[in-house]
Amino acid sequence: DQQVKQNSPSLSVQEGRISILNCDYTNSMFDYFLWYKKYPAEGPTFLISISSIKDKNEDGRFTVFLNKSAKHLSLHIVPSQPGDSAVYFCAASQTSGTYKYIFGTGTRLKVLA
Amino acid sequence: EAGVAQSPRYKIIEKRQSVAFWCNPISGHATLYWYQQILGQGPKLLIQFQNNGVVDDSQLPKDRFSAERLKGVDSTLKIQPAKLEDSAVYLCASSPTMTSGGLNEQFFGPGTRLTVL
Repeated sequence: DQQVKQNSPSLSVQEGRISILNCDYTNSMFDYFLWYKKYPAEGPTFLISISSIKDKNEDGRFTVFLNKSAKHLSLHIVPSQPGDSAVYFCAASQTSGTYKYIFGTGTRLKVLA
Repeated sequence: EAGVAQSPRYKIIEKRQSVAFWCNPISGHATLYWYQQILGQGPKLLIQFQNNGVVDDSQLPKDRFSAERLKGVDSTLKIQPAKLEDSAVYLCASSPTMTSGGLNEQFFGPGTRLTVL
């Protein structure tokens, strides 16, 4: 049972345009969400997070939106840069219990110069 | 600040052989995680330690996988015997102490790519 889904395995965007990466989850108990970025041959690195008490969190060019009723979150990158080309994973967790993260399958973003 | 260290970076073994991976977390991080990432999938948690105690090992195939974190610092993950389906990247991550009502981000090492032939 895939509790966290990223239905787009890949995405190509022109440099300077907006990149929108989507993530859906099924477990209504999740209340903390994160995005990680992964370059080849490296471990994932933390990008941005959002708690379920918010519907938006912004950090520079990166904004995460959370729609709890739809169990959907999205990551917006504006403007997209070639260095943003990587695999992006969303992850979800509960702030009670063991704090285990459930990761999605990832979306490979390619930003074209 | 030094990051999470893992070794080896790559390992190729025959099925039914044994293999061990090592992880040294960021200094002072109480929580350590081992993940398995199969090609095309997201990381899947195998085991989580808080200091040297196991918090969650519900997805660890205990008939062949074992892990320990002696003295609450570095950790080893062992597979014995390996199967073809164990081919994956094994990621180690660490985070500061778990806090009630909040979460700490996890810091990942570069991973060990295991190929089982």
